[in-house]
Amino acid sequence: EVQLVESGGGLVHPGGSLRLSCTASGFTFNIYYMHWVRQVPGKGLVWVARISPDGSSAIYAESVKGRLTISRDNNKNTLYLQMNSLRADDTAVYYCARPLYGGFDSWGQGTLVTVSS
Amino acid sequence: DIVLTQSPLSLPVTLGQPASISCRSSQGLVHSDGNTYLNWFQQRPGQSPRRLIYKVSIRESGVPDRFSGSGSGTDFTLKISRVEAEDVGVYYCMQGTRLYNFGQGTKLEIK
Repeated sequence: EVQLVESGGGLVHPGGSLRLSCTASGFTFNIYYMHWVRQVPGKGLVWVARISPDGSSAIYAESVKGRLTISRDNNKNTLYLQMNSLRADDTAVYYCARPLYGGFDSWGQGTLVTVSS
Repeated sequence: DIVLTQSPLSLPVTLGQPASISCRSSQGLVHSDGNTYLNWFQQRPGQSPRRLIYKVSIRESGVPDRFSGSGSGTDFTLKISRVEAEDVGVYYCMQGTRLYNFGQGTKLEIK
């Protein structure tokens, strides 16, 4: 069974940093692109970033470029999102997601990041 | 950027009645490989999204056959043939043809 478990969310001050993790199991992690998607509570889904299977390339939504960095450790079956220079509008539930057939067939339970003073 | 526009944004439905959600894309969604990567997701209250449909009309394993997807080009539709209580939630279309974008979501509630 495919499982994605996010962790690392919490309360952080504006301008601060946080690193999210997503631990994968039940599939061959190192052959999949992986994604982060976020959702402001009560609002819609927004794609954030994607990383290649070997971690050599990544693409980002314009709104997070230069502040959020996606990475992975295939030895640990873990996806990361390093979040720097956080702003109030980064407050959201962050999901990791596995792609298949041009969409996401598996999602984690999400981890809440709250940026507030 | 591709923009996906869903309608309606709120959908009150009587149990047992059909429901339909439209998703209109600002650009055509046919990929260079010939596939159209249009997905539909359901998000029940307090849960993560769950994919119902991919490549316009293919149901995920385990999705009831009362859910169906159709469309082409820029216009797509999710239909529920007979709404059940467990269908309450927000439905999103999403394209994966050129990067990734979601529609605004349609909240389905029981009338």
